[in-house]
Amino acid sequence: DAGVTQSPTHLIKTRGQHVTLRCSPISGHKSVSWYQQVLGQGPQFIFQYYEKEERGRGNFPDRFSARQFPNYSSELNVNALLLGDSALYLCASSPQGTDTQYFGPGTRLTVL
Amino acid sequence: AQSVAQPEDQVNVAEGNPLTVKCTYSVSGNPYLFWYVQYPNRGLQFLLKYITGDNLVKGSYGFEAEFNKSQTSFHLKKPSALVSDSALYFCAVRDDTGGFKTIFGAGTRLFVKA
Repeated sequence: DAGVTQSPTHLIKTRGQHVTLRCSPISGHKSVSWYQQVLGQGPQFIFQYYEKEERGRGNFPDRFSARQFPNYSSELNVNALLLGDSALYLCASSPQGTDTQYFGPGTRLTVL
Repeated sequence: AQSVAQPEDQVNVAEGNPLTVKCTYSVSGNPYLFWYVQYPNRGLQFLLKYITGDNLVKGSYGFEAEFNKSQTSFHLKKPSALVSDSALYFCAVRDDTGGFKTIFGAGTRLFVKA
């Protein structure tokens, strides 16, 4: 079975631009979470979605938004990019009834 | 508020020796505890978790972790380290009070020397 996939792998944007990151969960997984990992730090929780509804939100500004589609894939959107948004963005999916998260390889976002 | 502390930025151990990577946590309710490993340029991989039950949890690649409620700790251990265990290890916690927020520690880099 394919693991969690994310696209694109790398992305370079300039300040003020908008970005959309995409995630496809493992087949059968209905829960998707997004994390931001700044170099040298642990992942920071951004959002969790389950069955297309937001179930949790971390301490991120409203510039960050996400959604989950009927096929359980998900998008993370970031508006008005700042230099500090440069990070590895990780997506994770979970099987129903468990707390184990399966992570994708991440999208490396660089904001210039 | 939930929090996780990994007090060591780096742990060095010789191949064949036992290893311990430390983690302490703070949650409001009962903890759900996890260990993940990250290899260079790759996403995180699940190693093991504690939800309830036996305090000693066994996981992937020969790793185990011991839940200690009184010390609020969940240290990762392995009896005999391999060079291939060298990676970045993250402890994570969620509580059972209904929130879905998982908090990760800052990570501990493990170096296993041949």
